[in-house]
Amino acid sequence: AQSVTQLDSQVPVFEEAPVELRCNYSSSVSVYLFWYVQYPNQGLQLLLKYLSGSTLVKGINGFEAEFNKSQTSFHLRKPSVHISDTAEYFCAVSGGQYNFNKFYFGSGTKLNVKP
Amino acid sequence: DVKVTQSSRYLVKRTGEKVFLECVQDMDHENMFWYRQDPGLGLRLIYFSYDVKMKEKGDIPEGYSVSREKKERFSLILESASTNQTSMYLCASRFWGETQYFGPGTRLLVL
Repeated sequence: AQSVTQLDSQVPVFEEAPVELRCNYSSSVSVYLFWYVQYPNQGLQLLLKYLSGSTLVKGINGFEAEFNKSQTSFHLRKPSVHISDTAEYFCAVSGGQYNFNKFYFGSGTKLNVKP
Repeated sequence: DVKVTQSSRYLVKRTGEKVFLECVQDMDHENMFWYRQDPGLGLRLIYFSYDVKMKEKGDIPEGYSVSREKKERFSLILESASTNQTSMYLCASRFWGETQYFGPGTRLLVL
């Protein structure tokens, strides 16, 4: 089956600093890629997605991600974080050779923005 | 906006009880999903449904069943709840190949 690896379980960062949350996936066949954010006691909200086209994808709240096919990565970045970005972030993959209709999620990265 | 609602935000049940978790979406999506979320494990797919009365097992279906009698409603059933089913349960829906939209989650505690 497809696997999704989020290399960092927790990322502490100071407010207004840049941040990168890393995501790698196992399939090299064409896939769809997503980043979701989860605030405490809430469901998941879509931040951004890559389906095709430009490898640099812009999402909500100033986040962006770059699809790198050769490295099978889809890292999430923000140039300047706010306290309100404190949340858990999940990378997800669907499609590819395994099962088009299934989503595979990483284990999540908790972003802790400090003042 | 797509709306996915779940019948309860918090639920406390006893071991051995039959538990029903319900999910309703208002966007006529074909596909619906049930996940459980546990710390450090991310989201794991329990079951999904790609049409009315159609279902497929996910990665961890043991101890669960599902029902989809109407397109907008997808129910998760714990036949005999056990303490290891204490978790956050998330429902999602989508059109084929498109973004998943999630409900707010149900936090289930089995005593």
